[in-house]
Amino acid sequence: ETGVTQTPRHLVMGMTNKKSLKCEQHLGHNAMYWYKQSAKKPLELMFVYNFKEQTENNSVPSRFSPECPNSSHLFLHLHTLQPEDSALYLCASSPSGGGYTFGSGTRLTVV
Amino acid sequence: GENVEQHPSTLSVQEGDSAVIKCTYSDSASNYFPWYKQELGKRPQLIIDIRSNVGEKKDQRIAVTLNKTAKHFSLHITETQPEDSAVYFCAASRISSGSARQLTFGSGTQLTVLP
Repeated sequence: ETGVTQTPRHLVMGMTNKKSLKCEQHLGHNAMYWYKQSAKKPLELMFVYNFKEQTENNSVPSRFSPECPNSSHLFLHLHTLQPEDSALYLCASSPSGGGYTFGSGTRLTVV
Repeated sequence: GENVEQHPSTLSVQEGDSAVIKCTYSDSASNYFPWYKQELGKRPQLIIDIRSNVGEKKDQRIAVTLNKTAKHFSLHITETQPEDSAVYFCAASRISSGSARQLTFGSGTQLTVLP
């Protein structure tokens, strides 16, 4: 394990479901991120949290709702998703001014 | 915002040959340029990074060069091995929003090393 743990690893949900993705890091990093990785596209930044305060929301639809209760935990709450939201959702963390450590991702399929 | 272009999208080389992947960026304020390797079904892993105060950095068979004037940077892998086969992503960022780095990624290069 890298120090950044994501659960679940795989998730299949219907368009009317509500689910949450969890990310946890014990590296002492102060910043945490959500990225979306779709086939044939660059990794897309969704949200940035710095010292548990949201500092970036990259025009993400409101059906994605992040939560960061402390610097070690990050959640992504999902509701009424669309099939095009199917992707690999990656969490990352970083120290001040440093590079990212990624989690293994959650493979999400919306049916 | 930042825009990162990466080429080529696919690259096949014979084992033992060199591989070069190139990226350009748009934001002249970007000062940090990491490269990530992502094997099939696995998380991206940082393999090398460079900051804007240096022009080249090496780590064994991997090197990265940076041309700030032209706003491009490249990854060089020498003596390629089959285990180098993966998708490689470049990225660029400047420190923003306090001390958090907001990385903008290229679209990736699928490198295949043929035995």
